[in-house]
Order: sequence, then C-alpha cells, then structure tokens
Amino acid sequence: QKEVEQNSGPLSVPEGAIASLNCTYSDRGSQSFFWYRQYSGKSPELIMFIYSNGDKEDGRFTAQLNKASQYVSLLIRDSQPSDSATYLCAVNGLLRGGATNKLIFGTGTLLAVQP
Amino acid sequence: EPEVTQTPSHQVTQMGQEVILRCVPISNHLYFYWYRQILGQKVEFLVSFYNNEISEKSEIFDDQFSVERPDGSNFTLKIRSTKLEDSAMYFCASSYSNSNQPQHFGDGTRLSIL
Repeated sequence: QKEVEQNSGPLSVPEGAIASLNCTYSDRGSQSFFWYRQYSGKSPELIMFIYSNGDKEDGRFTAQLNKASQYVSLLIRDSQPSDSATYLCAVNGLLRGGATNKLIFGTGTLLAVQP
Repeated sequence: EPEVTQTPSHQVTQMGQEVILRCVPISNHLYFYWYRQILGQKVEFLVSFYNNEISEKSEIFDDQFSVERPDGSNFTLKIRSTKLEDSAMYFCASSYSNSNQPQHFGDGTRLSIL
C-alpha cells in the first residue's frame, strides 16, 4: 500500500521563524515530489516541486529531498501569519514499475504562524 | 496566469440523481485529472485522462463515474446515481506533461448529496 505520511500538527511557530514541515513516503521508486498549500475550504495550491536529492530553493521556500531515507521536507523562512494553512505533501504513483501521473497525498500538516 | 476553472462552485443534489461537474483545464495542458476530498480527509485521486482516454483510475472510480472531454476545452466528471457518501469537494487538475510536471488545481466543486 503506497503511503505518504505527515504529522497532522498543528505546528505553531512565531512570526519570522523558520517552519519545518516533514513528509515520508513508502514507495522507494517514487520520482516526483510536490508541496501544496491548502487554506481552509480552498483548493491545493502548488508551492514547490522537487525531483532530485538535495535542496531546491524558491524565495522563502526550500524543498529538501532524501531518496535514501524516503524523506521530503519543506522549510519556510521568515514565516508570516499569511502562511498559516495546511501543507500537503504529494508523491507521484507507480504502476508496474513506471511512474504515473496519479498524485498520492498525505493528510497534511496544519501550520499556525503566531503574530 | 492561466488557471483551471470549475463550475459550479457548489452543487446540491438529491440521492440517486445524476450530476455533471465541469472543468476547463489550462489551455496548453494535455493531462487532466479529477480528485476528491471528503471533509477532514486526504485529497484522493479518482482518474487521469490523456489523449481522449482514461490513463489510470482508482478503486473509487467505479461504474457510477465517467469522464468526458466533449469539446476542445471542457472536461467533465459525471456521477450517474449519487450516494450520500459522494458528498465531497471535487477538484479538477491539469498538467502539461507526464509525472514530472506539477498539476494545477481548480477551485473545486462542493457536492452535497441530500
């Protein structure tokens, strides 16, 4: 059973701090990893995607991937109250050993940035 | 910035009735998807569609569900005989290419079955 695991939170950080969100996945063959932000009652909004081991930075966001540990994380620097949302980790599915377009989502981590 | 649009934003239907949810994917995207999210639960994959046919579907996507691209812009999800447990947010998504390309989501349709 392919799984994507996240701590549901809430993760509470003060304004200006670094928020660290973590995700593990069960299928070693997964190739593509995505972070989405979802405000309450809204749709998932793409934040970052990463395919290779290491770090990928975009503005205040850094995605980190470690395929050996089957671990992907999202760092948010200088956290703002407007960053308060649920952050969804998603991983592409596999079918007969090949990557598919199906996204498997975790339950999401609720981030609360305190002013 | 181009976006995926979905209509209606909210659909209320009696159990047993048919519903059609509509989506206009981003214009140069080739892959289209439907996901659903029951209140308080994970986003779940339903179906992916490419080159006018289903490329993958989940166990949720049973005979009551169908998808169609009736013209060059619309992508629809039909539920033939709705059940109470079909109540959820339904999200349409599209991507330009295969699994390496990110999927962009529409605002969703909230489906309420009475």
